[in-house]
Amino acid sequence: AQSVTQLDSQVPVFEEAPVELRCNYSSSVSVYLFWYVQYPNQGLQLLLKYLSGSTLVKGINGFEAEFNKSQTSFHLRKPSVHISDTAEYFCAVSEDSGYSTLTFGKGTMLLVSP
Amino acid sequence: DGGITQSPKYLFRKEGQNVTLSCEQNLNHDAMYWYRQDPGQGLRLIYYSQIVNDFQKGDIAEGYSVSREKKESFPLTVTSAQKNPTAFYLCASHIRGTGTEAFFGQGTRLTVV
Repeated sequence: AQSVTQLDSQVPVFEEAPVELRCNYSSSVSVYLFWYVQYPNQGLQLLLKYLSGSTLVKGINGFEAEFNKSQTSFHLRKPSVHISDTAEYFCAVSEDSGYSTLTFGKGTMLLVSP
Repeated sequence: DGGITQSPKYLFRKEGQNVTLSCEQNLNHDAMYWYRQDPGQGLRLIYYSQIVNDFQKGDIAEGYSVSREKKESFPLTVTSAQKNPTAFYLCASHIRGTGTEAFFGQGTRLTVV
């Protein structure tokens, strides 16, 4: 069975600083990986996804993530954050096996302060 | 515009009452899901359906029921058997198959008093 671990429940950072949100996964088969963002009292919005090909994936709002198969990681990065990036971020995995469901991590709250 | 609509956005119910949350999509997606979100626990899968008239239990199905009579609709009933029903509920859908991302509704916040 697949699982996702987001190592940090909260990441405080100052505006314009770089940030990395960590995500590790576990699976016995090939996987697809996703990062979603959630603003308060709203649904989730897709930031980016890794299906195959280049291990560096670029998404919306200046975010990018790198798939590392040997370390089973899919960390999310942004070189310079804005106040408006304050939100909760979820990493999710889906196995390349039949009709697999999405499994989510517990989320990382990104807190950007001026 | 295509999307997923959850209603209502806020719902209050008395303890012991059943309540049904609505989820409708016009994206022509085969698969639909219900997740429960509690602070610090991420999203936990309640039920999912890959095709009309068929659905499977997720990780926390106890105290919940669903139906999938139409492709567009996947209502969730929170029954009186659910011990802690107060939570934020999210509905999602995607094209059936692997590697496709899910699209989410705006959620329903259920408060049981």
